[in-house]
Amino acid sequence: QKEVEQDPGPLSVPEGAIVSLNCTYSNSAFQYFMWYRQYSRKGPELLMYTYSSGNKEDGRFTAQVDKSSKYISLFIRDSQPSDSATYLCAANSGGSNYKLTFGKGTLLTVNP
Amino acid sequence: DAMVIQNPRYQVTQFGKPVTLSCSQTLNHNVMYWYQQKSSQAPKLLFHYYDKDFNNEADTPDNFQSRRPNTSFCFLDIRSPGLGDAAMYLCATSRPQGSGGSIDTQYFGPGTRLTVL
Repeated sequence: QKEVEQDPGPLSVPEGAIVSLNCTYSNSAFQYFMWYRQYSRKGPELLMYTYSSGNKEDGRFTAQVDKSSKYISLFIRDSQPSDSATYLCAANSGGSNYKLTFGKGTLLTVNP
Repeated sequence: DAMVIQNPRYQVTQFGKPVTLSCSQTLNHNVMYWYQQKSSQAPKLLFHYYDKDFNNEADTPDNFQSRRPNTSFCFLDIRSPGLGDAAMYLCATSRPQGSGGSIDTQYFGPGTRLTVL
């Protein structure tokens, strides 16, 4: 079993829809959870991160972590065509373990 | 702007012909990483440098080598590229923050897309 599992999609939604992207993980030591956005033929860029359980909101984006179920979510409200990209979840345990474990990424297309 | 730069953006090589990809950073981060990313797959960590200390992943083939002559530059050498090495190669940097809720953000370059003919 991979340490971080993510449904690769693809996911296609109309403009303005609420998008829910999800990952599960198996390593109980993970404490830091990130979402990276990767546009086609570009490197990933950090979108949001959370430490331990809870929610974090940034504009139209909300990141949610439920450590009891080992579930990571990213919600996008009022989705825009410019949100079309691959979204990668990642996690690490912090401290001396600074390497990231990535999910496969979910390809999202927002149609105008 | 502080950033991670990769050159070239696109590299075409022949089967078995050595190739070198370069990465430079102006962030003054002490950790530099090389990832391999194939289509629809997660980035796969090949190795990383923590300052001058080289850390190889257990499943990284011997065909892949790296050099870090100074803080700013890191190179990926593929000694004898095979068709299976065609991929996007991503360089990333970070400055580990330790524990206590501070994230070790990794900053990625734009990648080098390698084609092997």
